[in-house]
Amino acid sequence: GENVEQHPSTLSVQEGDSAVIKCTYSDSASNYFPWYKQELGKRPQLIIDIRSNVGEKKDQRIAVTLNKTAKHFSLHITETQPEDSAVYFCAGDFGNEKLTFGTGTRLTIIP
Amino acid sequence: DGGITQSPKYLFRKEGQNVTLSCEQNLNHDAMYWYRQDPGQGLRLIYYSQIVNDFQKGDIAEGYSVSREKKESFPLTVTSAQKNPTAFYLCASSVDGISTDTQYFGPGTRLTVL
Repeated sequence: GENVEQHPSTLSVQEGDSAVIKCTYSDSASNYFPWYKQELGKRPQLIIDIRSNVGEKKDQRIAVTLNKTAKHFSLHITETQPEDSAVYFCAGDFGNEKLTFGTGTRLTIIP
Repeated sequence: DGGITQSPKYLFRKEGQNVTLSCEQNLNHDAMYWYRQDPGQGLRLIYYSQIVNDFQKGDIAEGYSVSREKKESFPLTVTSAQKNPTAFYLCASSVDGISTDTQYFGPGTRLTVL
């Protein structure tokens, strides 16, 4: 079945530095890769997504890259700020009308 | 996402009891979902419904049941057959139910079995 592996499980970054979270998948029948952010005690919220017809997408300090050949996609956060501290989940659709989520990355920004 | 609500926020259950978690949305979304969140395991899909009076099993449906009698409501029942029900449960909805729709999550219900 579909599987999405997410690394690292925890990540600590100095404020102002960049953070990168990577996800790999096994099923090539996927066209859509969203990223969700869940702050402590709050609900997950979509922060950025990418579709298979593009290799990169940016939204201010956040970017996502996709390598369909290698079956991996990554979230890049630049100039990190304390409010970026949260758990981040990647996900993919695998042609079966539902999302499969990664196991999450707890990002901590160190002031 | 303020239009999707879950109740209660915290729920305690004795072993052997069934319990029902509420999920309501006023976003006029066709699709609704139930996820279970455990530490280190991400979000796992329990059930989903793309239209009223229809629903499908997700990846971990055993020990759970749902109904979708109204577009706005998608209650989840955790039955006594669920071996390890203590978890954080998240409900979500999306416009059309295709996988590329943005999913909007509720605030969650934390269930603890005593």
